[in-house]
Amino acid sequence: DTAVSQTPKYLVTQMGNDKSIKCEQNLGHDTMYWYKQDSKKFLKIMFSYNNKELIINETVPNRFSPKSPDKAHLNLHINSLELGDSAVYFCASSQDRSTDTQYFGPGTRLTVL
Amino acid sequence: EDQVTQSPEALRLQEGESSSLNCSYTVSGLRGLFWYRQDPGKGPEFLFTLYSAGEEKEKERLKATLTKKESFLHITAPKPEDSATYLCAVPGNNRKLIWGLGTSLGVNP
Repeated sequence: DTAVSQTPKYLVTQMGNDKSIKCEQNLGHDTMYWYKQDSKKFLKIMFSYNNKELIINETVPNRFSPKSPDKAHLNLHINSLELGDSAVYFCASSQDRSTDTQYFGPGTRLTVL
Repeated sequence: EDQVTQSPEALRLQEGESSSLNCSYTVSGLRGLFWYRQDPGKGPEFLFTLYSAGEEKEKERLKATLTKKESFLHITAPKPEDSATYLCAVPGNNRKLIWGLGTSLGVNP
């Protein structure tokens, strides 16, 4: 069984479109994260939810909106996609705090044309 | 400012040639140091957590050690399948992990 899963694996879209990425974890963890990894491989935290409550909200454009319907799911919706949004987006989860081990999904490679 | 620096940026070894990767950190009150492995096209895979200076952990050909200022990931007699990017991270004071840029390791057969 996959612990942290994301869909889709690949997303190719035109500038200006709106798209969503979905994440699910079956580890029973309370905290979930969205990271962006750019071409230089740096992992940048975007958002984090703990038990459906937003606890980390980094300085990202408000075109990015996370939603956590329950503690096992965390989705990322992106409006009006721009070329600079092209990157790999990773979902992760941990038992609770940032001091707990984070487990990552396989990533979603977003390409904006 | 909390910071994690990894070196070298890239390393190429011959199969069987042991070496070490470095992760140095500046953070007030270390609450753990994490090592991950990332293969191309995949998410980071957890390897180790170290909590206190002097602690060591091993997994197959990998051994992670921790001092008050840095951590080393020692790779003994590496094989081509050890080729990956190795990332380290430490918890900051604001609920976030602070990540290094990683070391890209290539092992030639």
